Amino acid sequence: AQSVTQPDIHITVSEGASLELRCNYSYGATPYLFWYVQSPGQGLQLLLKYFSGDTLVQGIKGFEAEFKRSQSSFNLRKPSVHWSDAAEYFCAVGARAAGNKLTFGGGTRVLVKP
Amino acid sequence: NAGVTQTPKFQVLKTGQSMTLQCAQDMNHNSMYWYRQDPGMGLRLIYYSASEGTTDKGEVPNGYNVSRLNKREFSLRLESAAPSQTSVYFCASSSPRGSGGNTEAFFGQGTRLTVV
Repeated sequence: AQSVTQPDIHITVSEGASLELRCNYSYGATPYLFWYVQSPGQGLQLLLKYFSGDTLVQGIKGFEAEFKRSQSSFNLRKPSVHWSDAAEYFCAVGARAAGNKLTFGGGTRVLVKP
Repeated sequence: NAGVTQTPKFQVLKTGQSMTLQCAQDMNHNSMYWYRQDPGMGLRLIYYSASEGTTDKGEVPNGYNVSRLNKREFSLRLESAAPSQTSVYFCASSSPRGSGGNTEAFFGQGTRLTVV
């Protein structure tokens, strides 16, 4: 069965500083990987996705993520954080063989200090 | 563009009451999902429907039933609500990406359910 671990429950970062959120997955074949963001009281918005090809993927809002098969990781990064990036971030893994269902990590809540 | 629409947005139930959460998508997606979100636990899959006419259990199906009414609609029913079912419920939809796997899931705005 597929699974996702986000080791950091909370991260506090200063505005303008860099941000990295960790994600580790477990899946027996090539995974399809996603990062979603959720602002308070809102639904989930897709930041970026990896299906195949280039292991460094660019997303919206200046985010990028790198797929590292050897480490089973898909970490999310942003070079300079803005106050509006305060939200909860979810990593997810999906695959066609699993009936198209997505499995989510527990989430990382990001707080941005002025 | 409506995307994924869930109703209601908020609901308070008494223990033992029943209710149905409605979900509809207008993106012609094959697959639909119901998740629940609880603090610190991310989103956990309750049931999913890979295509019209099929439904399968997810990670936490106990106490719930689903109906894939047609390609657009996927409802979630609580037959006898319990306080442990207090949560935020999200419906989502997606479609296979050619022969290579699923596209991203699109989510509704959620239903905040409280069972007292």
